[in-house]
Amino acid sequence: SAVISQKPSRDICQRGTSLTIQCQVDSQVTMMFWYRQQPGQSLTLIATANQGSEATYESGFVIDKFPISRPNLTFSTLTVSNMSPEDSSIYLCSVRLAGRETQYFGPGTRLLVL
Amino acid sequence: QQQVKQSPQSLIVQKGGISIINCAYENTAFDYFPWYQQFPGKGPALLIAIRPDVSEKKEGRFTISFNKSAKQFSLHIMDSQPGDSATYFCAASIGDSSYKLIFGSGTRLLVRP
Repeated sequence: SAVISQKPSRDICQRGTSLTIQCQVDSQVTMMFWYRQQPGQSLTLIATANQGSEATYESGFVIDKFPISRPNLTFSTLTVSNMSPEDSSIYLCSVRLAGRETQYFGPGTRLLVL
Repeated sequence: QQQVKQSPQSLIVQKGGISIINCAYENTAFDYFPWYQQFPGKGPALLIAIRPDVSEKKEGRFTISFNKSAKQFSLHIMDSQPGDSATYFCAASIGDSSYKLIFGSGTRLLVRP
């Protein structure tokens, strides 16, 4: 498996501001993903973070709102821009190891927007 | 259709009983079906997974049953314990270059002592 850390673990932010979430993995992984889990809901894929190129976004998510970077094989960031209360969610990164189908999830970042 | 439908939404089981959670899908291109367990305040953790070339997979008290013709799969938790109380998500993915996971809506399991 992989050890995944996310920073911050939680935050309370004011509307209109932006927050950058970091995801660090202890081993080189082939794929990294960002998910959103709204309160009491399931997980929805935001985008696939591609190393050295633009992320691949799912329908309903755009780069201007959720810019993503992945400068190397073990690190990625997700920024939630111009936040509104509707952005209050848990944001999770996941990784897929080389040769493995399984995705492993980080502990999540709990975001509350006031 | 990219949806995975999961039922029931919530489940209460007595200690020692069997917990059963069901999922159904439409897209026959799905070829990997994991189950995740999530405790409050934690990220989802992989519990068990199956591919459509087998009808059943067992790991300890956890069993996945897979019915390819019906496009359904289920999780059985034998001898359920209070420590199994969590939210369970089924998921499906296509083993192409995307490996995206499509999640079910989740089942909140409560195991009473």
